[in-house]
Amino acid sequence: AQKVTQAQTEISVVEKEDVTLDCVYETRDTTYYLFWYKQPPSGELVFLIRRNSFDEQNEISGRYSWNFQKSTSSFNFTITASQVVDSAVYFCALSSGNTPLVFGKGTRLSVIA
Amino acid sequence: KAGVTQTPRYLIKTRGQQVTLSCSPISGHRSVSWYQQTPGQGLQFLFEYFSETQRNKGNFPGRFSGRQFSNSRSEMNVSTLELGDSALYLCASSLGGKVYEQYFGPGTRLTVT
Repeated sequence: AQKVTQAQTEISVVEKEDVTLDCVYETRDTTYYLFWYKQPPSGELVFLIRRNSFDEQNEISGRYSWNFQKSTSSFNFTITASQVVDSAVYFCALSSGNTPLVFGKGTRLSVIA
Repeated sequence: KAGVTQTPRYLIKTRGQQVTLSCSPISGHRSVSWYQQTPGQGLQFLFEYFSETQRNKGNFPGRFSGRQFSNSRSEMNVSTLELGDSALYLCASSLGGKVYEQYFGPGTRLTVT
């Protein structure tokens, strides 16, 4: 069975601080996909990134960066110089491609001005 | 291109009633998946429809059902509503059914009183 664990339930940071959201996953599949979604108060899930199991390169997109490590089954997400607009619930998710997304419980990030 | 739309956005029902939620996928997308989000259980997969056929089903009671029409629009129905059915119901569409190309709608927030 697949499982995603986001141990941090809530994180609060002051604006401009860096913050890392942790994600640990479990799967027996050799091919799988990892995702991060952002859910603002409006409720819609906003896609941030997808990474497949064969690509362990870290990725940077503006203030966002992702660290994928198969050795530790982790796919962590870092926001650099956080802003108030980053306040949201962030979900890590896993799929084998043809299977439904399995989500973690989410991490609520509050960025205080 | 218009995104995934869900109607209604908000709904209040009484225990014992039934409810129908609608999801219109992105034009050309043939797969629609439904997810339930509650504070306690998080985001859980309900079912997926592809070309009018249910392709995957999550672990929900038979009170939860769905269907997909020839234009790919999908409806989900919950009969004999319970207080625990209060949730945000999200649908996601994809072109060929691969989760790595899923796009989520804004959700329908259902409150059962």
